[in-house]
Amino acid sequence: GAVVSQHPSWVICKSGTSVKIECRSLDFQATTMFWYRQFPKQSLMLMATSNEGSKATYEQGVEKDKFLINHASLTLSTLTVTSAHPEDSSFYICSARPSGGVTDTQYFGPGTRLTVL
Amino acid sequence: QQPVQSPQAVILREGEDAVINCSSSKALYSVHWYRQKHGEAPVFLMILLKGGEQKGHDKISASFNEKKQQSSLYLTASQLSYSGTYFCGTEPIPSGNTPLVFGKGTRLSVIA
Repeated sequence: GAVVSQHPSWVICKSGTSVKIECRSLDFQATTMFWYRQFPKQSLMLMATSNEGSKATYEQGVEKDKFLINHASLTLSTLTVTSAHPEDSSFYICSARPSGGVTDTQYFGPGTRLTVL
Repeated sequence: QQPVQSPQAVILREGEDAVINCSSSKALYSVHWYRQKHGEAPVFLMILLKGGEQKGHDKISASFNEKKQQSSLYLTASQLSYSGTYFCGTEPIPSGNTPLVFGKGTRLSVIA
């Protein structure tokens, strides 16, 4: 199967700082990547769809100015949590689907655990 | 619209079988099954495409009934390693650019 990497795997930061999370598709190209967050024992909550070369599409209730998404190339998307607060602490997971792969699936990165103190 | 998974949770002894269901109120093009272990990201198990498909891989198999708009995941002779939360992800039309819609998950615990 295809491989998606995420970096960092965990981060602890102080309240008010910004954190950048990188998501890379290692062996395929993805015009679209997806960002999810997951609280303990809950389902995957889609935050936004990242589109290469254009603006991200955010789900209802997700603050665009707080969660900045940049899809710089066909293999890299970044999520920046700006002015992080303790309530932003969560498990952030990116996902990508090979371009043109209507019969392919979404592959998930290993996730980034963010803890804001 | 979010698919409905049942049961929400199940506890099995090693060697027992389990069935996890995923139902949608909308017509489906495909159903994707994942397993997530605690603290890790979901891992892809299998994809079923429109057409009454069935698939298997080791002792885990799945079926897709497009008329009933539902899919079932079958775990046979469960092992401890099967423990985790199982998610189904659905899509109504073939598209590489829209996200799958995930159910709330089924928590499976296999005990010795």
